[in-house]
Amino acid sequence: QKEVEQDPGPLSVPEGAIVSLNCTYSNSAFQYFMWYRQYSRKGPELLMYTYSSGNKEDGRFTAQVDKSSKYISLFIRDSQPSDSATYLCAMRGGKSTFGDGTTLTVKP
Amino acid sequence: GAVVSQHPSWVICKSGTSVKIECRSLDFQATTMFWYRQFPKQSLMLMATSNEGSKATYEQGVEKDKFLINHASLTLSTLTVTSAHPEDSSFYICSASGGGYEQYFGPGTRLTVT
Repeated sequence: QKEVEQDPGPLSVPEGAIVSLNCTYSNSAFQYFMWYRQYSRKGPELLMYTYSSGNKEDGRFTAQVDKSSKYISLFIRDSQPSDSATYLCAMRGGKSTFGDGTTLTVKP
Repeated sequence: GAVVSQHPSWVICKSGTSVKIECRSLDFQATTMFWYRQFPKQSLMLMATSNEGSKATYEQGVEKDKFLINHASLTLSTLTVTSAHPEDSSFYICSASGGGYEQYFGPGTRLTVT
């Protein structure tokens, strides 16, 4: 069993939709939780990070962590075609462990 | 801030030759650098972790004699693929950390071995 399981997708939504991306984990030692966005043939870009349960908002993005359920989510409001990318969750206790990614397509 | 560059962005080499990929942190000191490999439509596979001035720690299954990593300074790490073969063709991505939990990734290097 993988330490980090990410909803595989792919997801296709119309422009303006709310998107929910989800990961679960099994390792209680994970303390830091990150979301990365990766465009095709590019390196991942750090979007958001948090280390506590609860919500963290940054513009149209909200990261949610529930440590009791070992579950994290990234919500994207008012999604735009430019949000089309692969989203990777990552968690860190010692070294980072990445999910397999969810590919999102936002259609105009 | 927190910019990481990689050079080259794309390289084609012949089977049996060696290729060096550079990873630089441009605006911060990277105490730790990571090297990943990524196949199409797959996630990142950690190859090795290097700390400045120390030998790299390789993940299980990664040949340390084939993938030579040098972390010569706080801003530069290199990955050398020795005696490359077509199966080494992949997207290689480095990331750097300044000591915190955040990792900043480079743009990646696409290696094609013919």
